[in-house]
Amino acid sequence: EAGVAQSPRYKIIEKRQSVAFWCNPISGHATLYWYQQILGQGPKLLIQFQNNGVVDDSQLPKDRFSAERLKGVDSTLKIQPAKLEDSAVYLCASSLTGESYNEQFFGPGTRLTVL
Amino acid sequence: AQSVTQPDIHITVSEGASLELRCNYSYGATPYLFWYVQSPGQGLQLLLKYFSGDTLVQGIKGFEAEFKRSQSSFNLRKPSVHWSDAAEYFCAVGARSNDYKLSFGAGTTVTVRA
Repeated sequence: EAGVAQSPRYKIIEKRQSVAFWCNPISGHATLYWYQQILGQGPKLLIQFQNNGVVDDSQLPKDRFSAERLKGVDSTLKIQPAKLEDSAVYLCASSLTGESYNEQFFGPGTRLTVL
Repeated sequence: AQSVTQPDIHITVSEGASLELRCNYSYGATPYLFWYVQSPGQGLQLLLKYFSGDTLVQGIKGFEAEFKRSQSSFNLRKPSVHWSDAAEYFCAVGARSNDYKLSFGAGTTVTVRA
């Protein structure tokens, strides 16, 4: 079974530029999560989707971050414009459903460096 | 609000020696507790979880953890460490009342010396 795929694996941009990350969850997984992992910290949930609807985006800085999951499968996370403090690893995870406990499976992450 | 503290930022252990990683949580009700491992360039992998029942939980790769409600702790142990156990380890807490959303600790980096 293929795992959670993410691309790109690495990205370096200048501050104020835009960047987008892509995630392809495990087939059949209804719930998709985006986490931000700043160096020296644990992952922090940014947004959770159930199929193509947003369940929780309370920690998403909506003035610059946006995310979508239009067909309930792949998802993109965008930052526009980027700030220095956005340098982090962005992890995507998926689970069968968020309505009861189901293990979250994580992708390898995208490491973003903002200069 | 739920939170997790991992007091040790970095631990160095000799190959073959035992390992214990500490985790303290803060949550009003019965938490769901997890340990994840993250190897360089890899995503997080679930080692084990505790929901209820036996407070000693067995996981993959020879790891185990013990839930101690009186100490609000969920420490991870391995009797004999292998070089491949060098990684970063994260403790996390979730709750049914919070839709099982995970709150992670800051992580403990484990270095294994020959």
